Amino acid sequence: AQSVTQPDIHITVSEGASLELRCNYSYGATPYLFWYVQSPGQGLQLLLKYFSGDTLVQGIKGFEAEFKRSQSSFNLRKPSVHWSDAAEYFCAVAGTALIFGKGTTLSVSS
Amino acid sequence: DTGVSQDPRHKITKRGQNVTFRCDPISEHNRLYWYRQTLGQGPEFLTYFQNEAQLEKSRLLSDRFSAERPKGSFSTLEIQRTEQGDSAMYLCASSLWGAKFSTEAFFGQGTRLTVV
Repeated sequence: AQSVTQPDIHITVSEGASLELRCNYSYGATPYLFWYVQSPGQGLQLLLKYFSGDTLVQGIKGFEAEFKRSQSSFNLRKPSVHWSDAAEYFCAVAGTALIFGKGTTLSVSS
Repeated sequence: DTGVSQDPRHKITKRGQNVTFRCDPISEHNRLYWYRQTLGQGPEFLTYFQNEAQLEKSRLLSDRFSAERPKGSFSTLEIQRTEQGDSAMYLCASSLWGAKFSTEAFFGQGTRLTVV
């Protein structure tokens, strides 16, 4: 069965520091993978997606993610975090519908 | 097009009452999805439509839940005899799907249901 695991429930990063959010997926075929962000009271916004091709994917707001088939991972990274990046981050894999992980809450300290 | 819209944004209802939510997808999108999200959890898939056909329903969609997309455009999600456990954010999303391509899913702002 398709599934997504986000091992970190909550991460705190200092403003200006680098960020990596982990995502592991389970899917039988070549996966379509996504990262979404959700700010309080806001809908889900797509950060980036992987369908095929280059395994390093660039997204909005300076985020990138790397698809590693051997590790079944799709980790999200940002070189320098801003206070406005504090939010809930969801990794998802596409079957007939998106299957989401439980999310990682990012807090940014000054 | 302003994206996926959902109505109402908030709904408070008494236990046992019926509620209905509406979702208007992006106009050219042929797939429409319903999800439920509770506090501290990721969105959980409920059901999806391709045009007017409901193609998949999650086991989370109990008999009290019904969804329709009568003309392949907007969709409604009805919950009958609401229970406190139905309190959640109900999210709608849409995408354009074809045999050889697919766009990502675009989400609405959600309808927050509180059952008291």
